[in-house]
Amino acid sequence: DIQMTQSPSSLSASVGDRVTITCRASQSVRKYLNWYQQKPGAAPRLLIYAASTLQSGVPSRFSGSGSGTDFTLTISSLQPEDFATYYCQQSDITSWTFGQGTKVEIK
Amino acid sequence: QVHLVQSGAEVKKPGASVKVSCKASGYSFTSYGMHWLRQAPGQGPEWIGWINPGNGDTEYSQKLQDRVTITRDTSANTAYMELSSLRSEDTAVFYCARDQSESRGYRFLDFWGQGTLVTVS
Repeated sequence: DIQMTQSPSSLSASVGDRVTITCRASQSVRKYLNWYQQKPGAAPRLLIYAASTLQSGVPSRFSGSGSGTDFTLTISSLQPEDFATYYCQQSDITSWTFGQGTKVEIK
Repeated sequence: QVHLVQSGAEVKKPGASVKVSCKASGYSFTSYGMHWLRQAPGQGPEWIGWINPGNGDTEYSQKLQDRVTITRDTSANTAYMELSSLRSEDTAVFYCARDQSESRGYRFLDFWGQGTLVTVS
């Protein structure tokens, strides 16, 4: 299986901050990389697919970049509703695999 | 609007089996793949497998392929995931999620069920 490694595992930030989360794949996944947001007690919610395409309805402060093995998720100006855990996921090779998550907490 | 509604929480003894259902509405059930995932407490999601409801083809994770079976009932727009020989480490929230493939061939999970807690104790 392809291993997905996220960094950092957690971070503290303030409303209005720019936040960047990194995801690295153990082998190339081309651009078959998706990002999800999960809040406690809820299912994950799709934010970005194909590394950089914003899912319909997702605010434009979220953006994604990268290809191959290295990817980033950026939140340009953190809002109160963005405090959550974020996961990357590769869909290039079955079995699909997820990162371990990055928890974004209030500073 | 798309909805995936899963069956309720289960408590099982070690060695037993569990079958979780996922009823789809708001779209053509046979036109989209359905995946099953699980999430242990404090962990990221783990992919279990998926089914093509149109033809019944399935694919499973190597880790679980000996214990998991995914099926569907097209007349009921429902997918099922059965996990056998349960052990304590199978305790998790299980999710179904719809497979969306866009025009460039990229695939992602665009709608998720609410989750079903399976406790093995």
